[in-house]
Amino acid sequence: AQTVTQSQPEMSVQEAETVTLSCTYDTSESDYYLFWYKQPPSRQMILVIRQEAYKQQNATENRFSVNFQKAAKSFSLKISDSQLGDAAMYFCAASGGTYKYIFGTGTRLKVLA
Amino acid sequence: DTEVTQTPKHLVMGMTNKKSLKCEQHMGHRAMYWYKQKAKKPPELMFVYSYEKLSINESVPSRFSPECPNSSLLNLHLHALQPEDSALYLCASSQSLTGAEGETQYFGPGTRLLVL
Repeated sequence: AQTVTQSQPEMSVQEAETVTLSCTYDTSESDYYLFWYKQPPSRQMILVIRQEAYKQQNATENRFSVNFQKAAKSFSLKISDSQLGDAAMYFCAASGGTYKYIFGTGTRLKVLA
Repeated sequence: DTEVTQTPKHLVMGMTNKKSLKCEQHMGHRAMYWYKQKAKKPPELMFVYSYEKLSINESVPSRFSPECPNSSLLNLHLHALQPEDSALYLCASSQSLTGAEGETQYFGPGTRLLVL
């Protein structure tokens, strides 16, 4: 069975500092995709970053980058220069067949002023 | 425009009521999804429509009835719900290109449903 594990239920980071959110996954697929989604309180879930497993280069989007370790099945998200607006629930997800995502349980990120 | 809209934002209904949730996208996407999300939990997939046809039904109780009138609209009809059905209901869409594996899903803001 495909699984996605986020072992940190909650994390805190000081404003302007860097934080890394962990995600590990297990899949038997040879070709798959990985995602980080952000869901602020009472607001819409938005895509932060997407990684194609066949690409060795780590995806980046402005202050957000991933450390994709395919052999270790690890897909962590690094947020640099954290801002108050980064406070949210972050979900890691893996493609789990056509139209399906396998979501992790989420990490709640608090940003301290 | 990467926007998925949902109405209403909030809904309170009794167990004997019939109500509908609506979702709309104008991105030309051909796959649309309904998810249920409980507080502090990840979304759970309920239904997927691809090219206006029901592709996935994740064994959802029949008191939830989806409908896809056209490629831009998705409805979820609710009837005889239970208090445990109270949750955030999210709509999403994706392009649905060939294969559709790993497509980015774009989520709406959700409808927060309370069943009394």
